Amino acid sequence: DAKTTQPPSMDCAEGRAANLPCNHSTISGNEYVYWYRQIHSQGPQYIIHGLKNNETNEMASLIITEDRKSSTLILPHATLRDTAVYYCIVSENQGGKLIFGQGTELSVKP
Amino acid sequence: GAVVSQHPSWVICKSGTSVKIECRSLDFQATTMFWYRQFPKQSLMLMATSNEGSKATYEQGVEKDKFLINHASLTLSTLTVTSAHPEDSSFYICSAAGTTFHTGELFFGEGSRLTVL
Repeated sequence: DAKTTQPPSMDCAEGRAANLPCNHSTISGNEYVYWYRQIHSQGPQYIIHGLKNNETNEMASLIITEDRKSSTLILPHATLRDTAVYYCIVSENQGGKLIFGQGTELSVKP
Repeated sequence: GAVVSQHPSWVICKSGTSVKIECRSLDFQATTMFWYRQFPKQSLMLMATSNEGSKATYEQGVEKDKFLINHASLTLSTLTVTSAHPEDSSFYICSAAGTTFHTGELFFGEGSRLTVL
């Protein structure tokens, strides 16, 4: 699977949008971009995924660049409960194994 | 979303004993389950892929005789840490993929924290 690069940590003010970047410059044409998050001492939680088009669900928006070499996860109105480690993963298998990188530790502050 | 449950949530055992961790998909059939291990302040490391009715596939560097995985039914996979030692203390997490899912979503259990004394 292609590797991803994420900043190790980010801060965000409560109520503001959190924009989490991810670089995946070696992504192949059939690989999806997945985002998961892990709140301390819990199992990861699925957020969103996409292939080429931008995606939005009740949790977040995923913006994928046209060349697919990078993406941004957007939490539109961050709350304190969004404090977690966010993982960007690329994988060609839908529902297949996921290889986790180091992720971004997002701290939402009051 | 679908629910994956692990049991026990935490376990403390003596060095040399074996510990079994269960992973259940509560409301869907999981043809494939994955086992991860996570040390403090580190990311999740994939240990093995478990397919119902067949032998598990282990990632490089993971001892299959040390970490026994059984996936006997479409709703249950077990991980047994044999002859546990303090270095096996970790957070073990399972995830499951369903037969009918087309969204790409993988469901994770709550994790099981193992402490070996």
